[in-house]
Formats: sequence, C-alpha cells, structure tokens
Amino acid sequence: LAKTTQPISMDSYEGQEVNITCSHNNIATNDYITWYQQFPSQGPRFIIQGYKTKVTNEVASLFIPADRKSSTLSLPRVSLSDTAVYYCLVGELNRDDKIIFGKGTRLHILP
Amino acid sequence: KAGVTQTPRYLIKTRGQQVTLSCSPISGHRSVSWYQQTPGQGLQFLFEYFSETQRNKGNFPGRFSGRQFSNSRSEMNVSTLELGDSALYLCASSLGPRGLAGAETQYFGPGTRLLVL
Repeated sequence: LAKTTQPISMDSYEGQEVNITCSHNNIATNDYITWYQQFPSQGPRFIIQGYKTKVTNEVASLFIPADRKSSTLSLPRVSLSDTAVYYCLVGELNRDDKIIFGKGTRLHILP
Repeated sequence: KAGVTQTPRYLIKTRGQQVTLSCSPISGHRSVSWYQQTPGQGLQFLFEYFSETQRNKGNFPGRFSGRQFSNSRSEMNVSTLELGDSALYLCASSLGPRGLAGAETQYFGPGTRLLVL
C-alpha cells in the first residue's frame, strides 16, 4: 500500500475553494486514489475516486498530475458543514499493513 | 437504498467480558470489512469477508474474530476485553471483494462506540 502524506490541518473560510494535496510517491501502476470525509463519531464517507487526470462529481474535483505522485482534492465554495477530517487513500489493503488510512487532514471552516 | 447499518450504536462492557457487534451491508453488497478507530492509532483494518470467507486479516490478536452469513450480514466478536479495546468499530461494505488497486469503493456504517471499563 502506497504511503500517503497530507497536511495535518487546514483552515479556510466559508465560500472559499479549498484544495487539499496528498503526496503518494510510491503509487503503484494500478492503484486508484480515493478520498473520504469523516465527521466526529461517524464512519468515513466516500467523496471521490480517480486514476488519472481530472475527475469531478457533484461535491468535489480530484486533480491527478501525469506522474500520479500526488493528487489534489478540490472543494468548491465550502461551508461550515464541510468541517471534517479528509483522508486520502491510495491503492488498497496490503496483507502486511496494519494502518491503511493515514492521519488525514483536519479541515476547519470558519464563518 | 438503505446504507450500512451497525448495531448496537453504543456499548459499555467491563474488562474480561466479550462482545458481539453486528453489521448489515448495503443490499447487494457482498464484501464486508471491519475497522477499529482510536484517537491514537487512527483507522485500522481488522478483517474482510466476502461470500462468507475471510479474505484478509489485519494485525490484531486472536481475541478479535468475525464471520459472515449467507445474506452478507457480518458479526465481529471480541473476547476477553481489555481497556485498550475501547474504540469506534466501523463496518464497511462494497459490491465486490477489495483488491490491491483500490478501485472498489467502500461504504461505511455509523459505527459502534465500545467503552471498556
């Protein structure tokens, strides 16, 4: 499983666009990149998934450069309810890995 | 379509007791995975079941076990509870088995909050 590096925390304001970047230098050829959102005491919620270039859905966009060694989750016009922890997950379970979700990015939206 | 449901939502047990947690996946999903989440260790994989067979297991002691039924519902059991087992236990379902590439999206339930005293 590719290791990922994300900022520990970020602050932004309502109405702004927020970009969270995840580094995954040792991503494997077949690995997908998936982002999840988690609110306190709830299970993670799938946001978006991609393999290369750009993917967009109703809540976010995912930008993946050609070398795929990083990816950027873009949240347009955030609101207070977007305050949560965001996890970048690359690939899937490796039988020897104990932790498959990293620490995530704690996003705090200010009014 | 109903989401993943977990029961109970909250549970208080004492050291040495055992506990069974239940998970009902999204209709049509055949893969169920279990995770433990604690503030210190984050989200850690416990095991995955697909078609009633355990496919993968994380690095947890044998006190943690699970099973899956023919209707894809799953249970996990923790015996001889320890204080360190206090955590949020999450269940996630997906249509097919999880693979190394990560293309299979997982849908998580709300979790069961277990407190061991």
